[in-house]
Parts: sequence; structure tokens; C-alpha cells
Amino acid sequence: KNQVEQSPQSLIILEGKNCTLQCNYTVSPFSNLRWYKQDTGRGPVSLTIMTFSENTKSNGRYTATLDADTKQSSLHITASQLSDSASYICVVLPNSGNTPLVFGKGTRLSVIA
Amino acid sequence: DTGVSQDPRHKITKRGQNVTFRCDPISEHNRLYWYRQTLGQGPEFLTYFQNEAQLEKSRLLSDRFSAERPKGSFSTLEIQRTEQGDSAMYLCASSPGVSVGLFFGSGTQLSVL
Repeated sequence: KNQVEQSPQSLIILEGKNCTLQCNYTVSPFSNLRWYKQDTGRGPVSLTIMTFSENTKSNGRYTATLDADTKQSSLHITASQLSDSASYICVVLPNSGNTPLVFGKGTRLSVIA
Repeated sequence: DTGVSQDPRHKITKRGQNVTFRCDPISEHNRLYWYRQTLGQGPEFLTYFQNEAQLEKSRLLSDRFSAERPKGSFSTLEIQRTEQGDSAMYLCASSPGVSVGLFFGSGTQLSVL
């Protein structure tokens, strides 16, 4: 069964600190892996998209890594800001026709002053 | 173009009533998706359109749910005889192609009393 597991479920960090969120998936084969940021009460917004051949991709203070061998991805946030407080969702697109995207449950990040 | 637009943002209804939500995708995006999200969970796939054709429908979509995209542009999601378990955020997303990320709207928050 295609699954995406994220850890930790929630995280609290001080403003200015770095953090890393984890995503493990069992989707195989897959086309691409995406990280989304979702503010409370809003729809998810794409941060990065990586194909199976890419190892890392950055978007400002966000850096995503992908290890297709171990089926793991991470999202690293550098110099966190209060506005980074949100849910971060890992999403995998299976490489099999119209199979829907597989969403993780997300990691709830709270950045405090 | 201001992105994916959903209306209304919030809907409170009594159990047993019918509700209809509207989604206006980004223009020229031929793919349109409906998802449902409850608190602390990732979005769950409901249904998918390519142009006006409904190509995929989740088993989550009971007979009380119906979605349309009559002209291949905007879409509506109707829930008949609402139940308290239908309370959730209903997200719409559009995309120009499977390899490109989904662009989500802000969602419609449904509360069934």
C-alpha cells in the first residue's frame, strides 16, 4: 500500500534556530516528491518538487533532500522565522497513470520568540 | 490571475441540508482536484477532472457527494443530506500537468451542526 509517514508529528523551536523534518515513503515507483507548507486555515503551498533523480533542492531558507534508495526525504529550515509556523506536508506522486497523490499527515511546526 | 479561488470560505449548515461549493481553477489548468482535510490530517483525495471529464473518484466519495465541471473550467462539489462527519476543509487544486505541482485554493471550511 502506498504510504507517506512524517516525523515528528509536531515540533516547537525558537526563532532563529534550524530544524529538519522527515518523510519516509513506501510509494514505488514514484514520479516526484513534493513538500508543501500549509498555514492554518489555508490551502497548501508548494515549496519544492524533486524527481527521483534529484538529491537536493533549495527554495530560500528551505532545503529538501531525497534519498531514493532508502525512500526518505527531509526538509531543512534554516534560521527559522515566526512566519514559518505552519504544517509541512510531504506528498509523493506515484509513477502509475492517474493514481492520486499520496499525502503525509504533516508536521506541525511552531516557531516561538 | 489570482490563483485557485474557492467559494464560500466557510459554510455552517444543519445536518440533513444540502451544500454546494465552487472552485475556480487557474485559467488554462486542465486538471482539477477535490480533496477533503480534517484537523491534523493530510488532504484526502476525493475526485479528479481532466477538462470536463471526471476521471477518478475515491471510494470516500459516497453517493451523497457529486462533483461536476461542466465546461472544463470551474467545478462544483455538492453534498446532499449532510452529516456531522462531513465537517472538514474541502480543498480544490488545479494543475497544468501531472509532473507540475498542484496549486491549491484556500479551501471551504464546512461545519455541520
